[in-house]
Amino acid sequence: AQTVTQSQPEMSVQEAETVTLSCTYDTSESDYYLFWYKQPPSRQMILVIRQEAYKQQNATENRFSVNFQKAAKSFSLKISDSQLGDAAMYFCAYIEGAQKLVFGQGTRLTINP
Amino acid sequence: NAGVTQTPKFQVLKTGQSMTLQCAQDMNHEYMSWYRQDPGMGLRLIHYSVGAGITDQGEVPNGYNVSRSTTEDFPLRLLSAAPSQTSVYFCATSYSGGMDTQYFGPGTRLTVL
Repeated sequence: AQTVTQSQPEMSVQEAETVTLSCTYDTSESDYYLFWYKQPPSRQMILVIRQEAYKQQNATENRFSVNFQKAAKSFSLKISDSQLGDAAMYFCAYIEGAQKLVFGQGTRLTINP
Repeated sequence: NAGVTQTPKFQVLKTGQSMTLQCAQDMNHEYMSWYRQDPGMGLRLIHYSVGAGITDQGEVPNGYNVSRSTTEDFPLRLLSAAPSQTSVYFCATSYSGGMDTQYFGPGTRLTVL
């Protein structure tokens, strides 16, 4: 079974600073998709960013960007200029077989004012 | 346009009782899925459907049944509830598959005594 590992159960950062959340995954496939989802205290799951493995360019969405290292099977999320509204659980996810989404355990991000 | 709706929001069951968690979407999405979220374990896929009349098992299908008679609805049935099924359940939908952006419902918190 494919696995997704987030080794940082909790992270904290000062407001306006930059923070990087780590994610590694295990796969034997060459073409796949990776995602970061955010879950604020409201419990609503929201897509932050998506990366297609065949694209070498790292995905970016405003203050959010990824560092995708395909050979190392690493997919980290960088949040620049952290804001109080960024406080949430962040989940890394990998799509298996185009149908089955596999999530990591999550990283709880705290923003300190 | 309600998006993805789940009912009920909260439910308490006794061991051995049965119930159905409802999920409905008005986005005309083909792909629908059910996840459970347990502390420290992220989200795990229970069942998914790629279209009306088609369902398949995810990572943790035991104890749950699904059916997909319409595009809009994807109910999750617990046939004989067990304390191990205490969890938060999320329904998610996407246009055509797991690689697309998943739109999550607000979740159902289920407690089995």
